Amino acid sequence: DAKTTQPNSMESNEEEPVHLPCNHSTISGTDYIHWYRQLPSQGPEYVIHGLTSNVNNRMASLAIAEDRKSSTLILHRATLRDAAVYYCILRGSRLTFGEGTQLTVNP
Amino acid sequence: GAGVSQSPSNKVTEKGKDVELRCDPISGHTALYWYRQSLGQGLEFLIYFQGNSAPDKSGLPSDRFSAERTGGSVSTLTIQRTQQEDSAVYLCASSLNAPQGSNTGELFFGEGSRLTVL
Repeated sequence: DAKTTQPNSMESNEEEPVHLPCNHSTISGTDYIHWYRQLPSQGPEYVIHGLTSNVNNRMASLAIAEDRKSSTLILHRATLRDAAVYYCILRGSRLTFGEGTQLTVNP
Repeated sequence: GAGVSQSPSNKVTEKGKDVELRCDPISGHTALYWYRQSLGQGLEFLIYFQGNSAPDKSGLPSDRFSAERTGGSVSTLTIQRTQQEDSAVYLCASSLNAPQGSNTGELFFGEGSRLTVL
């Protein structure tokens, strides 16, 4: 299975942008890059996905490197409700979740 | 229903007892996944179903764990002779497509079943 690598934790201030990185150097050509987040005591929720081009939705933006070996989830203006564990996974295999990045948002 | 439904939400059992956890996916979703999450840990893949068949059950930790899916809908995860290390939140997710599907296959997760083995 293609694996992803994320920092264990990141910190941001409210109203500031947040860039969450993910490395996936063994990605295959058919793997979609998916991001999910998990708030405390809840199941994960879908955030965004992409294949090659950068993507935007109401929650976030996804920037994908040209070689697809890395991607960055961008939260344009962090809020306290964005504090969660963010998971980057490759959609196309068994959907293996790594440890994710714990995002702390300071008021 | 509107989302993935799991039951029970909480289960406390004694070591050695059998437990059944149920997942009711979103109507029409062909793919169904079971994950396990121990306290403070990431998600551990257990098994996935495409329809009623399980192409990948390699994540099941031991032969005490089994899962079935009937009618392409509800799935049951059974843990026999529970052990304390089985204590975790068991999460179910469903999606419209299998992993090798050509489109998004966004996963929708339930709230999980918290299992505590005393």
